[in-house]
This record gives sequence, C-alpha cells and structure tokens, in this order.
Amino acid sequence: QITLKESGPTLVKPTETLTLTCTFSGFSLTTRAVGVGWIRQPPGKALEWLALIFGNDEKFYSSSLKSRLTVTKDTSKNQVVLTITYMDPVDTATYYCAHRPQPGTMSNLGQGTLVTVSS
Amino acid sequence: DVVMTQSPLSLPVTLGQSASISCRSSQSLAHSDGNIDLNWFQQSPGQSPRRLIYRVSNRDSGVPDRFSGSGSGTDFTLKISRVEAEDVGVYYCMQGTHWPWTFGQGTKVEIK
Repeated sequence: QITLKESGPTLVKPTETLTLTCTFSGFSLTTRAVGVGWIRQPPGKALEWLALIFGNDEKFYSSSLKSRLTVTKDTSKNQVVLTITYMDPVDTATYYCAHRPQPGTMSNLGQGTLVTVSS
Repeated sequence: DVVMTQSPLSLPVTLGQSASISCRSSQSLAHSDGNIDLNWFQQSPGQSPRRLIYRVSNRDSGVPDRFSGSGSGTDFTLKISRVEAEDVGVYYCMQGTHWPWTFGQGTKVEIK
C-alpha cells in the first residue's frame, strides 16, 4: 500500500523559507521510473503543480516558481523535501505531495498540509 | 507552459443525468509514440484530490465505470453517466506530457 504524508510548519512569516517534508511508504525512490511530486492549492482556488523529483535525482519545477523552489530526496529515510524561499501571503495554501508511478501522472496524494503566511 | 482550459467552470446536474467536462490544451499532448498523458482528478468537498483517469481513458482501480475519459490531441472530455450525489466536487484535468506539468482551473459539479 502506497502512502504519502506531508509535514512542516503551519505558519511562516513573509520572506521566510518554508521547508516541507513528504514521508512515503510502499515504494522506493531509487530509479528514474519513480518520482514524488508537489502540488499546492490556495484556499478556494485551483490546484497548482509545483515540482517533481525522480529516483535518479532528476528534477522539474514550475516555471513561475522555479527560482524559489528546491526539491531534494533522502532515500534512506523515504523522504522528499520541498523548500520555498521568500514566502509571501499569496503562498498560503494546502501543500500536497504525490507518487509518480508511471510516465505523465501522479496519484496517491497525501492528506495535505495547510501553510499560512502571515506576520 | 501548456495552458489547460476547462469548461464549464460550474456544472449543475440532475441526479441520474449525465455530465460532461471539456478540457483543452494549448498544444498537442501526444508524445511521438502516440501516448497522451492527460489525467483527471476529483476533489470531493474537504478531501485531497484523487486521480480518476490517466492516459486519457484509463480508470483507476475502484473508480466507477460511469466515469469515462476520451479525447485526442488538444481536446479531452470527462463524462459522468448517471450522476450520483457522491460525485459532487471539483474536477481537474492535468497534462503530464510537457514539462512543467499543468492543471486546468477546475470544474465544480453540483446537484441541481
């Protein structure tokens, strides 16, 4: 059974860096065939794709946020970490991580974690 | 980036009737091998999004067969036959052919 769970702070201040952790089970992130991605959803708004990291460490990022995003993995801990620099109130959202089981898709999204950006 | 445009954005439906959601991409989603990475997600109220369909028309395990996906190139459709109360929510298309992946704006399905 594949599960993913997001964790991190619920509140960050403007200009701070956000660090979120996705802890997963049921698969290994060790080959190009498998990946873990991040999606976010501001309150009442649409889903936004953010980033994806493959088991071979290849990474892809949203064009609009590329300069602020970094995604890394710790295979030994079955974790993927997303960092977003210079957080702004518009970055307030529920952040989800998901499994990339095959080309071109994501599934098994986590429960999500709501991050609020406010001073 | 590929822009995904859904219509309608709001879809009131009568229980037992069918509903269709359109998703159009700003460029073809076909790979050179012919595969098309177009996905549909369902987000029920208060829930995380759940993938319903991948590669245009492949239903996930446990997804009722009243959900069906179709399309090619730049035009895709999600059809819900015989809408049930549990189908209420927001539906998103997402393309996974071109980097970065992108979502549509979402279509809210509600019961009349």
